Amino acid sequence: GAGVSQSPSNKVTEKGKDVELRCDPISGHTALYWYRQRLGQGLEFLIYFQGNSAPDKSGLPSDRFSAERTGESVSTLTIQRTQQEDSAVYLCASSLDGRTGGYTFGSGTRLTVV
Amino acid sequence: TQLLEQSPQFLSIQEGENLTVYCNSSSVFSSLQWYRQEPGEGPVLLVTVVTGGEVKKLKRLTFQFGDARKDSSLHITAAQPGDTGLYLCAGASEANAGKSTFGDGTTLTVKP
Repeated sequence: GAGVSQSPSNKVTEKGKDVELRCDPISGHTALYWYRQRLGQGLEFLIYFQGNSAPDKSGLPSDRFSAERTGESVSTLTIQRTQQEDSAVYLCASSLDGRTGGYTFGSGTRLTVV
Repeated sequence: TQLLEQSPQFLSIQEGENLTVYCNSSSVFSSLQWYRQEPGEGPVLLVTVVTGGEVKKLKRLTFQFGDARKDSSLHITAAQPGDTGLYLCAGASEANAGKSTFGDGTTLTVKP
């Protein structure tokens, strides 16, 4: 596609439920990134994919968070047993080869855990 | 851990004024990016600088990469209300496998 697409754009969930967030990167971009942004703050790195492999999962806050990527395309970020502190905007970005910076971001998924 | 510190955190100015925001680190980066983010949207890439001392201009915005590739500045001339937003710097390095580290941003408000 022309840009990075994320869905849903907004998600309200009850504490304890599982959620799945989807990212469609730009076609042909081998590198894909997930970041989290709390209100009024900068971006917190979660995980990075090169192709379908995740060489860096260091930013995942706990084992309730997981992500996968298939077909060197779509990625899904799953949060199990959501907690209120998971409330944030989850941003996905892609880049052509991941060697240098310069990402194209999606508009994000705003997750609210009530 | 590579950290980027941005200053000031908040900046509110009148239309027509000039301003500079800073991005500093103790780490060396192979490249540094500046993004602008508006409410409800993801960050949009403004510029990438890769060479120490490099200066890039984008209309009224001037970006400079420090000689040692540890810091950068963004200067806006004659700011306009459309410049309002969150400005983020991000640094990438081979040591970090190309993963960018983001600063916490500068929130700029330009009043008409």
